[in-house]
Amino acid sequence: DAKTTQPNSMESNEEEPVHLPCNHSTISGTDYIHWYRQLPSQGPEYVIHGLTSNVNNRMASLAIAEDRKSSTLILHRATLRDAAVYYCILRDYHNAGNMLTFGGGTRLMVKP
Amino acid sequence: DVKVTQSSRYLVKRTGEKVFLECVQDMDHENMFWYRQDPGLGLRLIYFSYDVKMKEKGDIPEGYSVSREKKERFSLILESASTNQTSMYLCASSLDGDGNTIYFGEGSWLTVV
Repeated sequence: DAKTTQPNSMESNEEEPVHLPCNHSTISGTDYIHWYRQLPSQGPEYVIHGLTSNVNNRMASLAIAEDRKSSTLILHRATLRDAAVYYCILRDYHNAGNMLTFGGGTRLMVKP
Repeated sequence: DVKVTQSSRYLVKRTGEKVFLECVQDMDHENMFWYRQDPGLGLRLIYFSYDVKMKEKGDIPEGYSVSREKKERFSLILESASTNQTSMYLCASSLDGDGNTIYFGEGSWLTVV
């Protein structure tokens, strides 16, 4: 899997939008962009994924740059329960069983 | 919703004991994975399996073995537990073609004393 780069940590105020960036300059044409988050003492949880177009679901939105070398996870209104480590990873569509590599992720802190 | 269930949430074992960590998924996924997670080291892949009775080594297979006799169940075995295997162990599964989304279990906290 290609490598991704994320800031180590970010802070947000409750009920404000949060934009979590991710760089993936070596992305290949068959890589999906996935976001997961991990709350304290729990396993990682799927958030959203996309290939080329921006995506929305009940948890978040994913904005993908036109050249696909970067993406941004958008939480529209942060809550205290959104405090977690957010991981951006790439998954090759043609190789489902390949190793999934998580980097350090971004630790999001939400202030009341 | 996909459910990945790990049999034990917290375990304490003695050095040299044989340890079994069980994982079951209920969505007929082909692929299953075992990771360990340690502070500062992120998630590291131990083994994965893409079919029944098939297994592939991940980044850190030493000291571990796995078993996949049925599609829904993937077991991680520590043949002789050591203190450096104290960690949180995460099981996961994925379905081919689903954007390859990975679904994780809650984790098993293993302490070897």
